[in-house]
Amino acid sequence: DTAVSQTPKYLVTQMGNDKSIKCEQNLGHDTMYWYKQDSKKFLKIMFSYNNKELIINETVPNRFSPKSPDKAHLNLHINSLELGDSAVYFCASSYRQELSYEQYFGPGTRLTVT
Amino acid sequence: AQTVTQSQPEMSVQEAETVTLSCTYDTSESDYYLFWYKQPPSRQMILVIRQEAYKQQNATENRFSVNFQKAAKSFSLKISDSQLGDAAMYFCAGGSGAGSYQLTFGKGTKLSVIP
Repeated sequence: DTAVSQTPKYLVTQMGNDKSIKCEQNLGHDTMYWYKQDSKKFLKIMFSYNNKELIINETVPNRFSPKSPDKAHLNLHINSLELGDSAVYFCASSYRQELSYEQYFGPGTRLTVT
Repeated sequence: AQTVTQSQPEMSVQEAETVTLSCTYDTSESDYYLFWYKQPPSRQMILVIRQEAYKQQNATENRFSVNFQKAAKSFSLKISDSQLGDAAMYFCAGGSGAGSYQLTFGKGTKLSVIP
């Protein structure tokens, strides 16, 4: 069973398009995250979402919006895609009550904007 | 807020030998956790080991162990009996309870294992 899954794994699209990446976790976790990994492999938090509390990294453009239909899902919507959005996007989840902050990652979605 | 620094962009080790990857961090929190994640070419982020800041004993997971020096804010990873499958990017990360439980990652160290 896959713990944290993301779809699609690869996404190629043109500048200006709007796209979504889906994330689902079956671990019963209550907190989910989106990270961006750039071409130099640097991982940076974009959002964390817990019980409808959204915490946004202030450097994330407002073209990016997370949407959580329920605790097991956190989707990432990106509007008006730009070349600089090309990266690998990772979804992760954790159980806040454990206080260990251990996060489980999905396989990543490689987004290429042409 | 936390900062995590990995000063070794690349390292190499001979198969069966031991290698140590360095990590330093800075935080104003008293309650925090530190992690090492491995990212092989498959891209999957895999948790290698975890250290609670309040524990003095260094964490160990099979061939992986850490040297946690709290006063020096140092958290190095030692890999013993290196195997070809250990070749990957290794990321040091820190998390604290203040706010969002987000992890802050270092820039990573690319480990090559020489047969």
